[in-house]
Amino acid sequence: SQELEQSPQSLIVQEGKNLTINCTSSKTLYGLYWYKQKYGEGLIFLMMLQKGGEEKSHEKITAKLDEKKQQSSLHITASQPSHAGIYLCGADSGGYQKVTFGTGTKLQVIP
Amino acid sequence: DADVTQTPRNRITKTGKRIMLECSQTKGHDRMYWYRQDPGLGLQLIYYSFDVKDINKGEISDGYSVSRQAQAKFSLSLESAIPNQTALYFCATSTSSGGNNEQFFGPGTRLTVL
Repeated sequence: SQELEQSPQSLIVQEGKNLTINCTSSKTLYGLYWYKQKYGEGLIFLMMLQKGGEEKSHEKITAKLDEKKQQSSLHITASQPSHAGIYLCGADSGGYQKVTFGTGTKLQVIP
Repeated sequence: DADVTQTPRNRITKTGKRIMLECSQTKGHDRMYWYRQDPGLGLQLIYYSFDVKDINKGEISDGYSVSRQAQAKFSLSLESAIPNQTALYFCATSTSSGGNNEQFFGPGTRLTVL
């Protein structure tokens, strides 16, 4: 089965700083999702990447997919307290929308 | 109103009791999922259903059962709850009709088994 490893597991940054979260897959990524979860709440979809080398941005969040390395990164520019939460990557194992999720990265942003 | 709703939001029960968690959606999606979340373990798929007559086991289906009563409703049952089923449970939906293939999540049910 596909396994996803996220790093770091937790991150504390000062407001205004940039940060990067990584997601590494044990198998080829056919589709990679990024979700954000506020503590104890449901997940909110951020973006999906499908093609090798693809890059997408939403506001101050940019995600890239490096298919050759089976890796994706999520970069937040000029972090704000509203960015705090748990970020999870999810992999689509072959196009059937049966998503395997990583263990998550907990982000705290200190004002 | 929320597109994906879960009831109850919180539940405390005792070992051996039967528990049902319910999920309803107004998105018109054909696919529905049940996940559990434990600290440090991310989300694990329990069951998924691609339409009313199609139900499949996920990674951790032992001790759980599901029922897809209608396209909009998908319930999860714990026939005899045990303490290691204490977790946060999420329902999600998606559509097979194109788009980003993203899943839409409910707010979660926090279940505690004593």
